[in-house]
Amino acid sequence: NAGVTQTPKFQVLKTGQSMTLQCAQDMNHEYMSWYRQDPGMGLRLIHYSVGAGITDQGEVPNGYNVSRSTTEDFPLRLLSAAPSQTSVYFCASSRDRREQYFGPGTRLTVT
Amino acid sequence: AQSVTQPDIHITVSEGASLELRCNYSYGATPYLFWYVQSPGQGLQLLLKYFSGDTLVQGIKGFEAEFKRSQSSFNLRKPSVHWSDAAEYFCAVGVPKNMNYGGSQGNLIFGKGTKLSVKP
Repeated sequence: NAGVTQTPKFQVLKTGQSMTLQCAQDMNHEYMSWYRQDPGMGLRLIHYSVGAGITDQGEVPNGYNVSRSTTEDFPLRLLSAAPSQTSVYFCASSRDRREQYFGPGTRLTVT
Repeated sequence: AQSVTQPDIHITVSEGASLELRCNYSYGATPYLFWYVQSPGQGLQLLLKYFSGDTLVQGIKGFEAEFKRSQSSFNLRKPSVHWSDAAEYFCAVGVPKNMNYGGSQGNLIFGKGTKLSVKP
């Protein structure tokens, strides 16, 4: 199993551009989530999904959209990037909503 | 609301010395508890976890943690630190899915991290 994969690993955007961060898992986990990590802030939950077709907001959802059309994929969309969205983004999945498996992260810079 | 506190932002210890990283949480029941480690530019690695049972949990790399319900704490310890342990450490709390907590079951709440430096 590849586990949780994220693409790209690095991305630089200009303010106002849009992009999608990809996340996929091959463990048939129902639960998936997106976190952002900022210095001195730990990780904060952006959005999560408890199954295909079901998503909900986390602590810091503004500026991000998600969808879950399949069990495997959980993309995170930035519709109009802002410098405040410069961060490291982690995707995670879980089978039973106990232990979560994290992807390697995407480092995003918005200029 | 739930919260996780790691009171020490930065700790420096000498190689070979013992280590204790503190973690306190606020939650009405026993949550799931985790410690993660992150080396610079890397992802998160799970050190250990507590779901229930024995309150002293052994993890990887010689780390252990003790859950103390009365103190709402889950402190991480290591008897002898190695230079390779220098990293940032995060405590996290998860809500058990049988707890009605506004739909946040399964989500993790992280502390802000403790950066560990190791002196030769």
